[in-house]
Amino acid sequence: DSGVTQTPKHLITATGQRVTLRCSPRSGDLSVYWYQQSLDQGLQFLIQYYNGEERAKGNILERFSAQQFPDLHSELNLSSLELGDSALYFCASSVGGGLNNEQFFGPGTRLTVL
Amino acid sequence: GQQLNQSPQSMFIQEGEDVSMNCTSSSIFNTWLWYKQEPGEGPVLLIALYKAGELTSNGRLTAQFGITRKDSFLNISASIPSDVGIYFCAGQDLDSNYQLIWGAGTKLIIKP
Repeated sequence: DSGVTQTPKHLITATGQRVTLRCSPRSGDLSVYWYQQSLDQGLQFLIQYYNGEERAKGNILERFSAQQFPDLHSELNLSSLELGDSALYFCASSVGGGLNNEQFFGPGTRLTVL
Repeated sequence: GQQLNQSPQSMFIQEGEDVSMNCTSSSIFNTWLWYKQEPGEGPVLLIALYKAGELTSNGRLTAQFGITRKDSFLNISASIPSDVGIYFCAGQDLDSNYQLIWGAGTKLIIKP
């Protein structure tokens, strides 16, 4: 158990809908990262927050947005969902947001768009 | 942009065999991390490397930070069935705004 929690574990929805994925980082970690992993693919970095502020953006679509709240939990919002958005979405956390920060991953949310 | 090549893409091995996989980068990294992911689970950190030439072990796993700082390898000795999974390398440097650059993964399959 990494200490990072994600809810829900599974999510099934229809095209055009909007969903919210939630992540709670490990106790004491200030950074949260979101990744997308499509079937049998590698990890695609989406976005990072550090202590409530956006730190870095990766290949995140405009239909996707995220935020980190004062209690450091984070939410990833996916809107106007398409079939291709079906994937595993992982949250990771680290103590800091800079160099030499090991990221610890949550169990993921499996999103299925029908 | 930066590229990180991980090889092999997959490995079919017999139980008891030693395994070796590596990652090479187009640029210099300050940190190399090795993760293992099992089906439907999140990646789990196996080994972290912070200095060129560093050799670190975690049980039957050994990883090294290459002297050139552009490569790293992971060895697994005497593989067992629970070693099955996908192994990812990830590197970090100052130029990438501290983001991890990820390899595509090495899928380890143990032949029955």
